[in-house]
Amino acid sequence: EAGVAQSPRYKIIEKRQSVAFWCNPISGHATLYWYQQILGQGPKLLIQFQNNGVVDDSQLPKDRFSAERLKGVDSTLKIQPAKLEDSAVYLCASSFGGGLWETQYFGPGTRLLVL
Amino acid sequence: KQEVTQIPAALSVPEGENLVLNCSFTDSAIYNLQWFRQDPGKGLTSLLLIQSSQREQTSGRLNASLDKSSGRSTLYIAASQPGDSATYLCAVNADNDMRFGAGTRLTVKP
Repeated sequence: EAGVAQSPRYKIIEKRQSVAFWCNPISGHATLYWYQQILGQGPKLLIQFQNNGVVDDSQLPKDRFSAERLKGVDSTLKIQPAKLEDSAVYLCASSFGGGLWETQYFGPGTRLLVL
Repeated sequence: KQEVTQIPAALSVPEGENLVLNCSFTDSAIYNLQWFRQDPGKGLTSLLLIQSSQREQTSGRLNASLDKSSGRSTLYIAASQPGDSATYLCAVNADNDMRFGAGTRLTVKP
């Protein structure tokens, strides 16, 4: 079974530039999550999708972050414009149904450095 | 707001030693607790999931316990191996909001 795919793996940009990350979840998984993991901290949930609908985006900085999952499969997360404090690893995860009892499978992450 | 703390932040042990990693949380109204492993440059791998009604879960050399009333969980690793070197994170699930600790970075020396 193929795992969660993310690209790019690394990205370096200057502040105020825009950047986009892509995630392809495990086939058949209805729920997709984006997390931000700042160095030395645990991941923080940014947004959760159930199919193509948003379940929770309460911790997404909506003035600069946006995410979509138009066809209920792969997803993109965008930052525009980027700030220095956005430097982090952005992790994508998926689960079959999205219930609290279900295991989330994580991708390798995209490491973003904002200069 | 749920706060999750993991102590110690880093741990180095010789191969073969048994060890315990600690996780504490401030709000005992949780649905479940998970322990994850994170290798450098990689995503998280789920190790054990304990439902709020359970006291412990075991998988191979790993045993996780949960004491909801005191807001604590421990991950016990028996007979540690160099391949166990990684960062271990605990995450608490409540109301569909999963909160992670900052992790314990474990190094097992041959």
